[in-house]
Amino acid sequence: QKEVEQDPGPLSVPEGAIVSLNCTYSNSAFQYFMWYRQYSRKGPELLMYTYSSGNKEDGRFTAQVDKSSKYISLFIRDSQPSDSATYLCAMQLPAGGNKLVFGAGTILRVKS
Amino acid sequence: DTAVSQTPKYLVTQMGNDKSIKCEQNLGHDTMYWYKQDSKKFLKIMFSYNNKELIINETVPNRFSPKSPDKAHLNLHINSLELGDSAVYFCASRQGIGAGGVNEQFFGPGTRLTVL
Repeated sequence: QKEVEQDPGPLSVPEGAIVSLNCTYSNSAFQYFMWYRQYSRKGPELLMYTYSSGNKEDGRFTAQVDKSSKYISLFIRDSQPSDSATYLCAMQLPAGGNKLVFGAGTILRVKS
Repeated sequence: DTAVSQTPKYLVTQMGNDKSIKCEQNLGHDTMYWYKQDSKKFLKIMFSYNNKELIINETVPNRFSPKSPDKAHLNLHINSLELGDSAVYFCASRQGIGAGGVNEQFFGPGTRLTVL
């Protein structure tokens, strides 16, 4: 079993839809929970991060962490074609150089 | 202004060859990383350097050897290339590795390596 599990998709939605992306994890030591966005043929870029259980909102994006269930989510409201990308969840270990462990990434396609 | 740059962007080579990928960051960061992203988009850390010192060395074949001449550069040399080495290799950097704090990494554009 991988430390971080993420459904690779692809997930195809119409413009304006609410998108839900999810990851599960097995290591209770993970400290920070992140979402990176990667456009085609580009490097990943950090979209949002959270530290503890709960919600964090940034514009159309909401990150949610449930440590008791070892489950994190990213919600995108009013999705746009420009949101089409691969979304990678990443989790940070507190030791060993603050290593990040990434999920496999979910490919999202928003159709206009 | 390119924050993290990599050269070359594309690399096509034959099995058995030796090749190098170069990475430079102009962000003044202390820590740099190499990642491998396979065809299924799975991004896996390979190495990390902090101020030219190796701090993360994952289980990768010893054909892969990183080298950091200074804290702004981290190169990756690969000996005796194999078909399975075909992937996109990303360099990344971050400021400091102090206890606590989020490890926000800035990624380069990637080097697409194809081994024939």
